[in-house]
Amino acid sequence: QQPVQSPQAVILREGEDAVINCSSSKALYSVHWYRQKHGEAPVFLMILLKGGEQKGHDKISASFNEKKQQSSLYLTASQLSYSGTYFCGTEGGNTPLVFGKGTRLSVIA
Amino acid sequence: NAGVTQTPKFRVLKTGQSMTLLCAQDMNHEYMYWYRQDPGMGLRLIHYSVGEGTTAKGEVPDGYNVSRLKKQNFLLGLESAAPSQTSVYFCASSYDASRPEQYFGPGTRLTVT
Repeated sequence: QQPVQSPQAVILREGEDAVINCSSSKALYSVHWYRQKHGEAPVFLMILLKGGEQKGHDKISASFNEKKQQSSLYLTASQLSYSGTYFCGTEGGNTPLVFGKGTRLSVIA
Repeated sequence: NAGVTQTPKFRVLKTGQSMTLLCAQDMNHEYMYWYRQDPGMGLRLIHYSVGEGTTAKGEVPDGYNVSRLKKQNFLLGLESAAPSQTSVYFCASSYDASRPEQYFGPGTRLTVT
């Protein structure tokens, strides 16, 4: 079942922070995060495994709450290069990754 | 390393025609995937493979067939194209279940008229 992402779209000014949420109605084994720039292929950002871990990647970090079946992606001090569509993908263990519909992030000067 | 490559980059088909999309990876990955991406729908899995000679259905397999005769190649076939198959198709690969991050090819834009 497809995870639900929120918000669908967000506009930020450079330097502002954003949070993108991903929730599932099924128990999760892991959550992946990818970013896709316009006209390009999705690029892997990070993966979080069950255990409530938090990961960071430059000024982009994420958390995973397996009890709530949710993950959040945190973008701090956003840069123009952060613009793109962010997808979460969820795995239930023995099933392949299912992607959400994406969150379009636009960072303006 | 070329990573994941896809052929062709663009294609226009008439309804009822057939075609094959080729995906190749040079990273020795076990797992390979075919997705379609439509506006507002995200990435939807068509078929996938967990090793040479194996294939499995994803979320939206109808109207497509796949083959994985060689580890490095994953072919997606459309036997009788329909306008509903107009989409951008992405191939991806991952090492295996222990390293599941996926690497995507550049995509194929297919239009069926």
